[in-house]
Amino acid sequence: GAGVSQSPSNKVTEKGKDVELRCDPISGHTALYWYRQSLGQGLEFLIYFQGNSAPDKSGLPSDRFSAERTGGSVSTLTIQRTQQEDSAVYLCASSPSSGSLDTQYFGPGTRLTVL
Amino acid sequence: QKEVEQNSGPLSVPEGAIASLNCTYSDRGSQSFFWYRQYSGKSPELIMFIYSNGDKEDGRFTAQLNKASQYVSLLIRDSQPSDSATYLCAAHSTGFQKLVFGTGTRLLVSP
Repeated sequence: GAGVSQSPSNKVTEKGKDVELRCDPISGHTALYWYRQSLGQGLEFLIYFQGNSAPDKSGLPSDRFSAERTGGSVSTLTIQRTQQEDSAVYLCASSPSSGSLDTQYFGPGTRLTVL
Repeated sequence: QKEVEQNSGPLSVPEGAIASLNCTYSDRGSQSFFWYRQYSGKSPELIMFIYSNGDKEDGRFTAQLNKASQYVSLLIRDSQPSDSATYLCAAHSTGFQKLVFGTGTRLLVSP
C-alpha cells in the first residue's frame, strides 16, 4: 500500500510569510506525528494527533506554529510569520495507533527554506 | 541533558566487519526502542524495534537492550558499503505518545 506522503517536497519562502505543509498518512493509521530535523540534528518532536485531536502539542516551538487534522486523515502544519530559524526538514509519521509498540512510518519530508 | 544519547561518529568499519552502534537513554520508564536508518537527504526508515531485555535478531541486524543499564545497541554483521548511513536511536517516551530521538551515529563502511 501507499506510504506516508508529504507536500510540497521543497518550499522556499521569504521571512515573514506563512507556509502550510501537508501530510497524508498511511490509510487506516490513527496516529500522526510531526517532527522537525534541522541540519545535522536529530528529530525534534512537534505535535501528535490521535484521530483528529492533538493530546500533545508540547513540542510546538512557538505560537506561530499550529496544526490540524481533519477526517482522521490529512494533517496540515502551518507556520505563520516564518523566521530563518524555521528552516529545516519537516517530517510527518503515522502509526496504526499510539501505543508504545506501534512503529512510526515516516514520509519523505518537506524541506523548508526561509530566506 | 539529552534524553537519548548517541556518539555522532563517524564510525568507520571495513566491509565485512561488525558495526556496533550504541545508545543510552535517561527515561527509566521507556518501554520500547527503535533503530532507524537515514540516508543523506532521505527520511528515516525503520530497521528494528526492541522492548524486552536481551537480544533480538533480524537477518544481519541484532538489537540489544539492557534496561538496568539503560543501554540499547545495534549490531550490523557483514557490514556492506550500502549500510553507510546515519543510524537513529529512539525511545518511546513514558506517558507520552512520541518518540525521543538521539542525534544519530554516522556509519561509514569502506569497500
